[in-house]
Amino acid sequence: GNSVTQMEGPVTLSEEAFLTINCTYTATGYPSLFWYVQYPGEGLQLLLKATKADDKGSNKGFEATYRKETTSFHLEKGSVQVSDSAVYFCALLANDYKLSFGAGTTVTVRA
Amino acid sequence: NAGVTQTPKFQVLKTGQSMTLQCAQDMNHEYMSWYRQDPGMGLRLIHYSVGAGITDQGEVPNGYNVSRSTTEDFPLRLLSAAPSQTSVYFCASNRQGGNTEAFFGQGTRLTVV
Repeated sequence: GNSVTQMEGPVTLSEEAFLTINCTYTATGYPSLFWYVQYPGEGLQLLLKATKADDKGSNKGFEATYRKETTSFHLEKGSVQVSDSAVYFCALLANDYKLSFGAGTTVTVRA
Repeated sequence: NAGVTQTPKFQVLKTGQSMTLQCAQDMNHEYMSWYRQDPGMGLRLIHYSVGAGITDQGEVPNGYNVSRSTTEDFPLRLLSAAPSQTSVYFCASNRQGGNTEAFFGQGTRLTVV
């Protein structure tokens, strides 16, 4: 079946530090890949997505590249802010239209 | 622009009680789903629907029922609540298609005592 594995947290960073959250997947066919973000007390929001190999999704300074050869979709941001403190979920959407989520990574950015 | 609306936001139940979590979307999306979120386990799919009158089980369906009588509404029923159902529940909707964004409600925090 389909599955997503992302690095465990929590991750604590200082403002302006570099952030990487690793995500790898297992899926049949050619899934679409997503990063969702959950701010405290809220639902999930789409952060970025990529629908085919070598696509790069980007939004709010975050980037992730769909790497088919390594089945990965790592999230990166070059300089984090306190407002980036949230839980980040990697997810894939395969041919059955059901989203599969990773466990989530809690990121805390300190001023 | 309401999007996906879930009610209630918080609920405390006693073991054995029943209740319905409501979910409504105004985007005319075909696909709706219910997830539960537990620490360290991400979001797990409970039930989903690909259109009015059609529902199916997800990864963790036991103890939950759903129905989809209209495109807009997708209620989740707990027939006899158990402490293991203490969780945060999210409803989501999206258009059918391989790369469409899922829109989530604000969540319902349920505690079963």
